[in-house]
Amino acid sequence: GAGVSQSPRYKVAKRGQDVALRCDPISGHVSLFWYQQALGQGPEFLTYFQNEAQLDKSGLPSDRFFAERPEGSVSTLKIQRTQQEDSAVYLCASSLDWGGGYGYTFGSGTRLTVV
Amino acid sequence: ELKVEQNPLFLSMQEGKNYTIYCNYSTTSDRLYWYRQDPGKSLESLFVLLSNGAVKQEGRLMASLDTKARLSTLHITAAVHDLSATYFCAVDMSGGSQGNLIFGKGTKLSVKP
Repeated sequence: GAGVSQSPRYKVAKRGQDVALRCDPISGHVSLFWYQQALGQGPEFLTYFQNEAQLDKSGLPSDRFFAERPEGSVSTLKIQRTQQEDSAVYLCASSLDWGGGYGYTFGSGTRLTVV
Repeated sequence: ELKVEQNPLFLSMQEGKNYTIYCNYSTTSDRLYWYRQDPGKSLESLFVLLSNGAVKQEGRLMASLDTKARLSTLHITAAVHDLSATYFCAVDMSGGSQGNLIFGKGTKLSVKP
């Protein structure tokens, strides 16, 4: 597609519920990133894929967070047993290469609210 | 600790005025990115700066990078209301080997008539 597509756009989850957030990167983009953006803050890195390989997951806040990109294209960020502190906008970004030389394109994000 | 600091965090300008936003970072990097974010929207890429001394301009915005000083600036010339948004700088601290970015807290710009 022309841009990075994320779904759903909004998600309200009850505390303890599992959620799955989807990212469809720009076709052909090698690198894919997930970021978490709290209200009024800059995005914070969660995890990074190069094709289907998850090369860095150091930013995932707990073992309740899990990401996958099985075929090197679409990625899913899963949050198990959601907590209120998980409420944030989750942004996906993709890049043509692995070094950011072409910049990064961000999706519109999924706003997760845990009640 | 890897840090990216922007200042000011809030900026109220009058139309027609000039101003500069500063982005300092804590460790060596030659890759810096500027983004714009409108309320409720995603991040729009403004500039990609990939070397010391890089300068890029687009309309009323100009960005520069001094890797020795670990400083980037975003200069606004003759501000107009349409520039009102939050501006983020982001630094690749991995040296280009990986690409995960560290973002500043953002500068919320309000341009008033």
